[in-house]
Amino acid sequence: LAKTTQPISMDSYEGQEVNITCSHNNIATNDYITWYQQFPSQGPRFIIQGYKTKVTNEVASLFIPADRKSSTLSLPRVSLSDTAVYYCLVGYNFNKFYFGSGTKLNVKP
Amino acid sequence: EAGVTQFPSHSVIEKGQTVTLRCDPISGHDNLYWYRRVMGKEIKFLLHFVKESKQDESGMPNNRFLAERTGGTYSTLKVQPAELEDSGVYFCASSQVWGTNTEAFFGQGTRLTVV
Repeated sequence: LAKTTQPISMDSYEGQEVNITCSHNNIATNDYITWYQQFPSQGPRFIIQGYKTKVTNEVASLFIPADRKSSTLSLPRVSLSDTAVYYCLVGYNFNKFYFGSGTKLNVKP
Repeated sequence: EAGVTQFPSHSVIEKGQTVTLRCDPISGHDNLYWYRRVMGKEIKFLLHFVKESKQDESGMPNNRFLAERTGGTYSTLKVQPAELEDSGVYFCASSQVWGTNTEAFFGQGTRLTVV
């Protein structure tokens, strides 16, 4: 069970790019890196997943260095609606993911 | 397509009573997971069903918790008898496959308050 370390909280302003870095030193060879977003009173929602290098979709980019011991979620031009908790999960199968405390992102006007 | 649905959204019960939470996964999703966040703590895994079989129940805290998934469709999580420390939010998630590149879909959660 790969544990992760993320900043507890981050502040940003609308329109800025936000980068949230996650440390996962004991990542295994088969593990993928997955990021979830959670709004208050809702369940977590999948954002993006990757194994190495860079992955981009319509909402975010995920940067993974060669050693895979960390990863960075990049949110371009955030808006107030991006205020949420972001979780970095590392694992091969979805069961038993370690959610950790996540990063509470606060986007200000 | 309907998402993962959990019932009830909120339940308040007295210590010692029984509560049953229900989860309806996305149709066709063989994999169903239960997680929970007790007050002030992290979201933690409880168990994983593949169809009607328990694939992994290593996260179940004790024998007061019983999960079932008869017929491989919806699942129930019963807490009997409930204790104060069981208060928290119980999440259910489902996925079509189990393995890499698996996106799991979560329900909105059931907030359980034991008084």
